[in-house]
Formats: sequence, C-alpha cells, structure tokens
Amino acid sequence: QSALTQPASLSGSPGQSITISCTGNLGDIGTYDYVSWYQCYPGKAPKLIIFEVTKRPSGVSDRFSGSKSGNTASLTISGLQAEDEAEYLCCSFAGVALLFGGGTKLTVL
Amino acid sequence: VQMVESGGDLVQPGGSLRLSCAGSGFDFRTYWMHWVRQGPGTGLVWVARSNSDESYVDYADSVKGRFTISRDNAKSTVYLQMNSLRVEDTAVYYCARAPYAVTIDHWGQGALVTVSS
Repeated sequence: QSALTQPASLSGSPGQSITISCTGNLGDIGTYDYVSWYQCYPGKAPKLIIFEVTKRPSGVSDRFSGSKSGNTASLTISGLQAEDEAEYLCCSFAGVALLFGGGTKLTVL
Repeated sequence: VQMVESGGDLVQPGGSLRLSCAGSGFDFRTYWMHWVRQGPGTGLVWVARSNSDESYVDYADSVKGRFTISRDNAKSTVYLQMNSLRVEDTAVYYCARAPYAVTIDHWGQGALVTVSS
C-alpha cells in the first residue's frame, strides 16, 4: 500500500482560505470514511483536528473543515491566521493498515 | 494525557528489542493502542494496533511474524516486542492512542531504534 499524496507546501495570506488535498485510492480514502487530519509543530506531538472526514474534536476551531470526493480528501482552513503556520498530515484507514500522507508545510505570508 | 515511550536502543541485525509506552491522564483500558514509526527521511508508517483486551490485534505486512504488540492495562502500558530486526526497521517508534479503533487522537514523543552492525 502506498502512502497518501499531499502537496509538499502551500502558502496563503492572513484572512484567506486554503485547501490541502490528500489523494489515495479506492482501497483507502475511496472506500472508508476514516480520514483524519493532524496539525504538527516542530518538536511537538501531532494534534488531531479532523476525524472521520468531517468531524472536529472538541476545542478545535471551526475554521478547520474536512471533506472528501472520490479518492481525495481535503482540509480547508478559512480565515488564515499566523498560528496556522504548521505542517498538516492526513491519515486514512485502508482495510487493515493506516496510511499517512507525507505532510504539507503551510506558510502564512 | 501523556504517553512516554522507552526501550529504544542500538541493536544488531537479527537482534530483539522491546519498546514500552506508559500512558497517564486517561483511562488506558478503554482505548485502542497503536505503534507507528518514521524512518530516517521518510514518512509515518503504521506498525500495529491492539484493542483494549488484545482480542483484536493487527500488523503491517512488513512486521507480521516478527513484531508483537501487547498491553498491561493494570500498568497502563503497551509494548512492542521486535524480533529478527532488520536495518530497515531503523526508525523513531511512536505509540498512539485511539478512542475509536482507527482514529488516533494522541501521540507519544517517540523512541529511537537503530538497527546496525
């Protein structure tokens, strides 16, 4: 099973909205609604921000939203803020294994 | 919520090692527990998971038959016994908890395992 594909980097200005894609295949994202997204800062453990494609854990800002179409899941961050500058990582169930993306480095200009 | 891994070390190919991960600040026995690893310069790779009473465990194909996940709920600790280690098993190993079987919500800080002669 191959890892999920994410863009290596994205950038946006404060106040803008950005969308990070996570592409898999029929055996993972295309079949299962178990896609998670994590926000990662250097030297710190990843923080869960989206689970089961669209759900937000308690305490996570509603500026973060998730969606899925076919074999691609997406994370949208609206009203970009400086503190959103981080790496974002997707994860999908794939029948037995969990698959991870390579991570997307988001820069807030 | 805290999870602390221990047991990482330098080991020769063919050797064995046992990692431990002690959880605190949550009801350990109600969570699935996972091991995930990250090799040098590579992305995260899922290794294994166990439900609360070890009645359901799963492994990545790359470690099946060599690694064993187990847990001691009385000690709030999950283990990863690694046998027949290979150079390609070199990685930082993270334990992680999952309130739902396949959704990880908290991670440990990792333990480095180096397999080299």
